Amino acid sequence: NAGVMQNPRHLVRRRGQEARLRCSPMKGHSHVYWYRQLPEEGLKFMVYLQKENIIDESGMPKERFSAEFPKEGPSILRIQQVVRGDSAAYFCASSSDRNQPQHFGDGTRLSIL
Amino acid sequence: GQQLNQSPQSMFIQEGEDVSMNCTSSSIFNTWLWYKQEPGEGPVLLIALYKAGELTSNGRLTAQFGITRKDSFLNISASIPSDVGIYFCAGRESGGYQKVTFGTGTKLQVIP
Repeated sequence: NAGVMQNPRHLVRRRGQEARLRCSPMKGHSHVYWYRQLPEEGLKFMVYLQKENIIDESGMPKERFSAEFPKEGPSILRIQQVVRGDSAAYFCASSSDRNQPQHFGDGTRLSIL
Repeated sequence: GQQLNQSPQSMFIQEGEDVSMNCTSSSIFNTWLWYKQEPGEGPVLLIALYKAGELTSNGRLTAQFGITRKDSFLNISASIPSDVGIYFCAGRESGGYQKVTFGTGTKLQVIP
């Protein structure tokens, strides 16, 4: 998984707080994807961004969740007013082109107390 | 949304045995990808397939892009304990922005 960097690796929040998850794509990659994974389950697509633009956010809840990929800096997945059900592993992937395979980071494990 | 049916859901095998798993889709895909995920880590790309009928190997792993373009297979020969993990297929649809959809995963356990 060298290349796609996610931080923090683990994040603990209390209900009602905000969670900010960061993803730096592989060098040269301008396409970023966020996925959510519950224990013993598969990857659920959330959002696809290409530098400053949201291409597809069909998998992201309409409320409390937002994502951005600014011209400079990492992509951010932001969860406001977290609830227990937000506890999961959140993975970021990147690709150099929409036709190229996605490469994943090691994820952020979000725990809500 | 698009669903990929991946089977089997889980399997226990003896070290040294061969393993087969597959994915099927209701839609035609123009790319099939196979990933492996180990505990606490992100999925790692194993094999990418781009043409119907294509057969590609990566060490003891062999994957095939089905002729109908609606399925793909992954075989692991002579399994070893480090093959343990969850294997995911993923397919890219034709048209649109070519969204990638992931299968539900096959959890592989190898008994030494």
